[in-house]
Amino acid sequence: AQKITQTQPGMFVQEKEAVTLDCTYDTSDPSYGLFWYKQPSSGEMIFLIYQGSYDQQNATEGRYSLNFQKARKSANLVISASQLGDSAMYFCAMREGPHSYYRGGYQKVTFGIGTKLQVIP
Amino acid sequence: EAQVTQNPRYLITVTGKKLTVTCSQNMNHEYMSWYRQDPGLGLRQIYYSMNVEVTDKGDVPEGYKVSRKEKRNFPLILESPSPNQTSLYFCASSRIAGDRGIQYFGAGTRLSVL
Repeated sequence: AQKITQTQPGMFVQEKEAVTLDCTYDTSDPSYGLFWYKQPSSGEMIFLIYQGSYDQQNATEGRYSLNFQKARKSANLVISASQLGDSAMYFCAMREGPHSYYRGGYQKVTFGIGTKLQVIP
Repeated sequence: EAQVTQNPRYLITVTGKKLTVTCSQNMNHEYMSWYRQDPGLGLRQIYYSMNVEVTDKGDVPEGYKVSRKEKRNFPLILESPSPNQTSLYFCASSRIAGDRGIQYFGAGTRLSVL
């Protein structure tokens, strides 16, 4: 089974509208972290937002918010007021294992296949 | 400036000719990792390292070697490259604790194996 599933290969959104990019995950580890990264056409990977498995509230970073539904194992990215510069590939990722110096722990990271978002003027 | 530096950025080689892609970070991060990115497959983890002399396999380690002799460096070695290793490679680093484990990525190395 895939650990990170992004089911939307491509999405279009009108400028200034909100858009939701879907991500579901699969892990039996109680301690994990979920990330969203953006990859513009220039190729660099840019961190957007993080949600820890024990965080009680949904994460927000400016126009980005993460709709975290733990029981459903989903971590959807919401971009509000889309801008032309938001056109890019978006990757959901999961770190399994405790985010600590726990001896003997591990921190394997899995990425989804990405969603290509295009913002239309 | 905090950064992860990969070299070379572009590399064309032939099957079987050993190569090394270097990765260096100046943020004193404990965790370092290598990924390959292929169309339709996203990023897949090759190897990761939790600290000096501590490395572990990711999802696609076959055909690759790594070493972590110094905290700042994490080279990726292809002993006998094959065409199926043609890909875009990223090195990344992060803290083990604190800073939420956010990974900072290098600019990428585009490798073609003929």
